[in-house]
Amino acid sequence: QTVVTQEPSFSVSPGGTVTLTCGLSSGSVSTRYYPSWYQLTPGQAPRTLIYNTNTRSSGVPDRFSGSILGNKAALTITGAQADDESDYYCVLYMSSGISVFGGGTKLIVL
Amino acid sequence: QVQLQESGPGLVKPSETLSLTCSVSGDSVSSGSYYWSWIRQTPGKGLEWIGYISYSGSTKYNPSLKSRVTISVDTSKNHFSLKLSSVTAADTAMYYCAGQHYYYDSTAYNYVGYYFDCWGLGTLVTVSS
Repeated sequence: QTVVTQEPSFSVSPGGTVTLTCGLSSGSVSTRYYPSWYQLTPGQAPRTLIYNTNTRSSGVPDRFSGSILGNKAALTITGAQADDESDYYCVLYMSSGISVFGGGTKLIVL
Repeated sequence: QVQLQESGPGLVKPSETLSLTCSVSGDSVSSGSYYWSWIRQTPGKGLEWIGYISYSGSTKYNPSLKSRVTISVDTSKNHFSLKLSSVTAADTAMYYCAGQHYYYDSTAYNYVGYYFDCWGLGTLVTVSS
């Protein structure tokens, strides 16, 4: 069974830069998995941040960026703000048509 | 802009079938731009993809839930539905419907994207007697 891995939690100072990663339990993440990233805040619908590895969704500020770093997909937040404190999830799309969510990363801004 | 709204009972008894509907506005479920999907978040845990139905009616399900899941579409009502049978307390979750968008990239000569482009607000379903 495919397992998508994310850091359980991460801390960043206001104004700082943080990179969250999304890996595979076996193998490397590439653009072929069409990695996408989502922000989950309690009481709100999930927000789509990045798709196709590095394309920002409409209305997402450019301090959010996506990439492939080594063998993982990555979400970088530059100039972190207090309201960036949320849970972040990556999704990988498998060639079989199945989508697999990572376990999510709780980002703390302090 | 596509908007989605989930509806259905908030309380289901163990061993019964959970049934939810997602109403779609701003697009037709027959348009071919989306895989119409269900996703859930169990308490204290992360998001889990349940499955999707395409405009043609083909389905794909999470292998871990496949034996209990049915996703269907009603084009006359422009909505799609989820049925999850034999529920237990472990199925208590916030259930989201979403549209997984894909499109043809002429430079890549391939379909790309496959991301969740639109989401409902979610509906909480509790399994309890």
